[in-house]
Amino acid sequence: DTGVSQDPRHKITKRGQNVTFRCDPISEHNRLYWYRQTLGQGPEFLTYFQNEAQLEKSRLLSDRFSAERPKGSFSTLEIQRTEQGDSAMYLCASSPTHSGGGHEQFFGPGTRLTVL
Amino acid sequence: QKEVEQNSGPLSVPEGAIASLNCTYSDRGSQSFFWYRQYSGKSPELIMSIYSNGDKEDGRFTAQLNKASQYVSLLIRDSQPSDSATYLCAVEDRDDKIIFGKGTRLHILP
Repeated sequence: DTGVSQDPRHKITKRGQNVTFRCDPISEHNRLYWYRQTLGQGPEFLTYFQNEAQLEKSRLLSDRFSAERPKGSFSTLEIQRTEQGDSAMYLCASSPTHSGGGHEQFFGPGTRLTVL
Repeated sequence: QKEVEQNSGPLSVPEGAIASLNCTYSDRGSQSFFWYRQYSGKSPELIMSIYSNGDKEDGRFTAQLNKASQYVSLLIRDSQPSDSATYLCAVEDRDDKIIFGKGTRLHILP
């Protein structure tokens, strides 16, 4: 297993455009998380899935953000009508359902979004 | 608003010394606690998890948890220049949502 993968690694877009990112978790990991990270800050929770079910979505997210995990495997995160404030690193992590008590997360390399 | 607090640093520690990193959290119902290391430009990497009060050791790393004080710490013994990174404290709340602190930048002085 090669770990969590994310695609693309970098995305430059113009304000107002839509973008979609993909995350492939570690196989057989039931949980998948999306975070956003800006310089000097820790990862900010966006949403997470247990298999195909989206269990929680941050109240910080506007309706421009949506995430899916249709078959409980890979996930996509879409940002509609991008704004310059959306520029950040978007991180995906996966976790097995039971890992000794807590959900130890394994992160992908991230997708760096730049909105011009 | 559930919070995880860390001193942003930078924390400078001489090579070979013990680095001590601290974290406090607001949700008393939290049960699982994690330390991640993040090198500049890279994604976080899990280094320790702890679920019960007391100490947990793994190589040069020791995690300490005090639920009564809502306090988690990470000790790094025999600090090496390769330990220079940002260390993120993460807390899993009772809803299984994992909240990260802003991280502490650690600089090991050769």
